[in-house]
Amino acid sequence: GESVGLHLPTLSVQEGDNSIINCAYSNSASDYFIWYKQESGKGPQFIIDIRSNMDKRQGQRVTVLLNKTVKHLSLQIAATQPGDSAVYFCAEERGATNKLIFGTGTLLAVQP
Amino acid sequence: DADVTQTPRNRITKTGKRIMLECSQTKGHDRMYWYRQDPGLGLQLIYYSFDVKDINKGEISDGYSVSRQAQAKFSLSLESAIPNQTALYFCATSDSPDRGKGEQFFGPGTRLTVL
Repeated sequence: GESVGLHLPTLSVQEGDNSIINCAYSNSASDYFIWYKQESGKGPQFIIDIRSNMDKRQGQRVTVLLNKTVKHLSLQIAATQPGDSAVYFCAEERGATNKLIFGTGTLLAVQP
Repeated sequence: DADVTQTPRNRITKTGKRIMLECSQTKGHDRMYWYRQDPGLGLQLIYYSFDVKDINKGEISDGYSVSRQAQAKFSLSLESAIPNQTALYFCATSDSPDRGKGEQFFGPGTRLTVL
């Protein structure tokens, strides 16, 4: 069936390095994508989003890249900090339904 | 103060009991959602409501029911809890597409254990 999935379930990086978390989606009709961060014991928190008419969007220390040709989404975190340790989920919305399909998540572990 | 609140935060119950999880929001959003999260997995949509008179089933609605008491309140019920409903439950809200981007705002979650 259609799904949003992640290539790497766990990513370990050194503090100060850049992190890249990847996500593949299968439905070419999806037009809105969101990255969420979930810290232990908390609900998902919005990080950054991107619409399908864009291929890159930048926030504070984070960048989302969208490659519609291969249906791939990535989240780049610059100068990763211990506070970035969390599970990161990508989610896609198909049309203006406001129904999000979530991937299974990647655990980012930042080593001091 | 949190924009999306859930009560209780933790609940342990027994098989067959009826359980209600409550969600309130102060964001003024029309749309509210209930998700379930199992360990190591993403979020699965149980039910969603686009306004007070609108209730829709999500991917995994069997064994659950909901009530949208007001724009700000959306409750999830387990009529007869079973052990495989042990999970983290999240409530979320979003604005209508004509007013917002579609971003969903999540509550802190309710950890439910069914013995």
